[in-house]
Amino acid sequence: EPEVTQTPSHQVTQMGQEVILRCVPISNHLYFYWYRQILGQKVEFLVSFYNNEISEKSEIFDDQFSVERPDGSNFTLKIRSTKLEDSAMYFCASSATGGRGNQPQHFGDGTRLSIL
Amino acid sequence: DAKTTQPPSMDCAEGRAANLPCNHSAISGNEYVYWYRQIHSQGPQYIIHGLKNNETNEMASLIITEDRKSSTLILPHATLRDTAVYYCIVRSLSGGSNYKLTFGKGTLLTVNP
Repeated sequence: EPEVTQTPSHQVTQMGQEVILRCVPISNHLYFYWYRQILGQKVEFLVSFYNNEISEKSEIFDDQFSVERPDGSNFTLKIRSTKLEDSAMYFCASSATGGRGNQPQHFGDGTRLSIL
Repeated sequence: DAKTTQPPSMDCAEGRAANLPCNHSAISGNEYVYWYRQIHSQGPQYIIHGLKNNETNEMASLIITEDRKSSTLILPHATLRDTAVYYCIVRSLSGGSNYKLTFGKGTLLTVNP
């Protein structure tokens, strides 16, 4: 069964450094998402992306965050200057349809980001 | 905020059916009900979704009441590997915020041997 893959599984970074989290969505999906989950808390939506544009973003997704689809297979989340509070699990998801379609989002197993 | 209410925890005996309730009394006509689960330290796993008809797949069944104000996820023969947090999520297919999934705290289902 096709799946969303994320790398690395664990990333340790010094505060203030830039980090890039990588995702390979399911191959025929067109809509891509990032979510995060701080330890012990709910899964929170960050951003959705379609046709090389952000379609929706949350208040969390401020100027230090950016997303990109650099080629036909990868989808990345960049955090420009990491803070201690960015420590969390980051989940990538993809779906065949977006806003007005009902197809489900499928998630990867996440990248655990630890900021020191 | 999540538009659903779920019990914080439930227990089920291995081999028995697990019935997980969800209340979504404010659901509107164009909102679907999605169920996901999260096994410890893994990403949310899609289980099933529906609008108003009951749905069944290889993992589970989804029963939606006629007024659509509540639903039940049924795992017909629970195994130890079904121990997870189960999330019931309502998503609109129209309006300005129709891409994101809003997760609540879910129900921690513990399957006991």
